[in-house]
Amino acid sequence: QQPVQSPQAVILREGEDAVINCSSSKALYSVHWYRQKHGEAPVFLMILLKGGEQKGHEKISASFNEKKQQSSLYLTASQLSYSGTYFCGSRGGATNKLIFGTGTLLAVQP
Amino acid sequence: GAGVSQSPSNKVTEKGKDVELRCDPISGHTALYWYRQSLGQGLEFLIYFQGNSAPDKSGLPSDRFSAERTGGSVSTLTIQRTQQEDSAVYLCASSRGGGENIQYFGAGTRLSVL
Repeated sequence: QQPVQSPQAVILREGEDAVINCSSSKALYSVHWYRQKHGEAPVFLMILLKGGEQKGHEKISASFNEKKQQSSLYLTASQLSYSGTYFCGSRGGATNKLIFGTGTLLAVQP
Repeated sequence: GAGVSQSPSNKVTEKGKDVELRCDPISGHTALYWYRQSLGQGLEFLIYFQGNSAPDKSGLPSDRFSAERTGGSVSTLTIQRTQQEDSAVYLCASSRGGGENIQYFGAGTRLSVL
């Protein structure tokens, strides 16, 4: 089953923070986060493995709670360049296959 | 190559025709994936190749869709007897196949079925 992301869309002003959630009905081995700008290919942001670790990339960080089968992406002090659609990708086991979530459209306005 | 290359970038075809979409993965990547993205929608998994193993075809929507990967490198996605609902962007990605297994995407092929 496809992971469910929330919210579906969010509009921010520059400098504001946002949280994007990803929930799976299946046990997760790892979670990948990608960002896709309009008309472009998805680009890898970060990966989180089992163990509840958090990771950071500039002002974007993420957490993974495998017990709750959830991951959250945190964007702080958002910039115009953060605009795009964010997808989580869940990996359920030995396979390398990712099942991508429903997507969250983020629009950052000046 | 430097990145995943897909061709053609755009394809317009008539309903009922067959089409072939090509993907050249990053050199040395053993895993290759095809996804479909309809307008404003998410990434729908189609098929996954890993080395010489049998491909995971669990995402192919019908028997009109098939894919092959020759020599462990280039892949071709074939859609037979195209239908209007096949119109979408078809994305290919490749990865090393081990470790963190980060997927790198091509720019996609935009297919329009008239």
